[in-house]
Parts: sequence; structure tokens; C-alpha cells
Amino acid sequence: EPEVTQTPSHQVTQMGQEVILRCVPISNHLYFYWYRQILGQKVEFLVSFYNNEISEKSEIFDDQFSVERPDGSNFTLKIRSTKLEDSAMYFCASSGDYSNQPQHFGDGTRLSIL
Amino acid sequence: EDKVVQSPLSLVVHEGDTVTLNCSYEVTNFRSLLWYKQEKKAPTFLFMLTSSGIEKKSGRLSSILDKKELFSILNITATQTGDSAVYLCAVVRGATNKLIFGTGTLLAVQP
Repeated sequence: EPEVTQTPSHQVTQMGQEVILRCVPISNHLYFYWYRQILGQKVEFLVSFYNNEISEKSEIFDDQFSVERPDGSNFTLKIRSTKLEDSAMYFCASSGDYSNQPQHFGDGTRLSIL
Repeated sequence: EDKVVQSPLSLVVHEGDTVTLNCSYEVTNFRSLLWYKQEKKAPTFLFMLTSSGIEKKSGRLSSILDKKELFSILNITATQTGDSAVYLCAVVRGATNKLIFGTGTLLAVQP
């Protein structure tokens, strides 16, 4: 069964550095998302992306964050000037159809900021 | 403010028991409600519910949505240790298909 793949599985970075989290969505999907889950808290929406542009972003998704689909397969989340509070599990998800298909999630990248 | 509330927060049962997990919501521009199972990593899709009163079934799992009372339940019959996980309820909201998650129910099934 097709799946969403994320790399790396774990990223450890010094505060202030930039990180890029990578995702390969399911190949025929058109809608892409990033969520994060701080340890012990709810999964939170960050951003949705369709047709090479952001559809919606949350209050969390400020100028520190950006997303890109650099080619036909990858979907990346860049976090600049990382802070301690950026430590979380970051999930990528994709769905094929706007309203009729569920979002499928990758295994996540655990980001640890030191 | 949009809200998805799950209960109980955690539950311990024995193999063979039947469990019912609850999810209530207050979300503007509701489109659908999804249930996911989260073990160590990715939330794994279980059900998508769009219409009231239509039960979705998959093996020992079933779920139903009540759009008038704004809640859904997930039933698991004849539980097994492999059912131990966090069960997440999420509501699809509005124009951009954003998911709003509840806190999850941690289910532990003891042998």
C-alpha cells in the first residue's frame, strides 16, 4: 500500500540553526499538510498546500517557517532560527481529493533542539 | 473557538472486553470526522464519517456519527492486546481540509 515517507526520522539541532524536514507524499495525491505534536499535547495543524501554494496556515506558522515542493515528489518544511520550543514530532500528510478522501500520515520526524 | 474533545483520556481493559470511545466537537464549517489509531509513529487512518447515522465497520471496529448532537463513537469488540494504542478523533474543517484533533484516548488492553 502506498505510504507517506518522511526523513530524517530524528533530527537533533542546535538552537538558532535551520532545519529542513523532508516528505514524499503518496504519488497521486494533490494536497499536502504539515502537523506537529509537542510531547504530551495534541496534534496541531501547521499548514496546507495545494497547486504549489499555501492554502491555509495556522498562527504557529509564522515567518520562521516555510514550505516548498521543489520537484514532483518532495514536500519540505523549513524552520529557520530554531528555538527550544520547536522541539516536537512533525508529521507530513497527504490526501488525493479535496473533500472525499482522508489524509494519510507519515511516520514523522522527531525534532530535538538543544 | 473550534474544539474536539475525546473521552475517556485513558482506559485499561482486558482482552475480550468491548470498549466505546467518545468524541464530541464544536467546529465551524464541519466537513467530516476521522478516526485514527496511533501506535508508536504515524496516525493510521481507521474511518471517515460524513453522514449521520451510517455505521462504518471494519472487522471488530465500528464507528458512527451524530451531526445533530455533534459527537461520534468508536467501538471495538473482543479487544486484543494489539488494539493498545492512542485513538485520535479529528474533524475536517472548511475550505482547506484542515484537521482539528482531540487529545486522544489511550487504550491499554491487558492479556
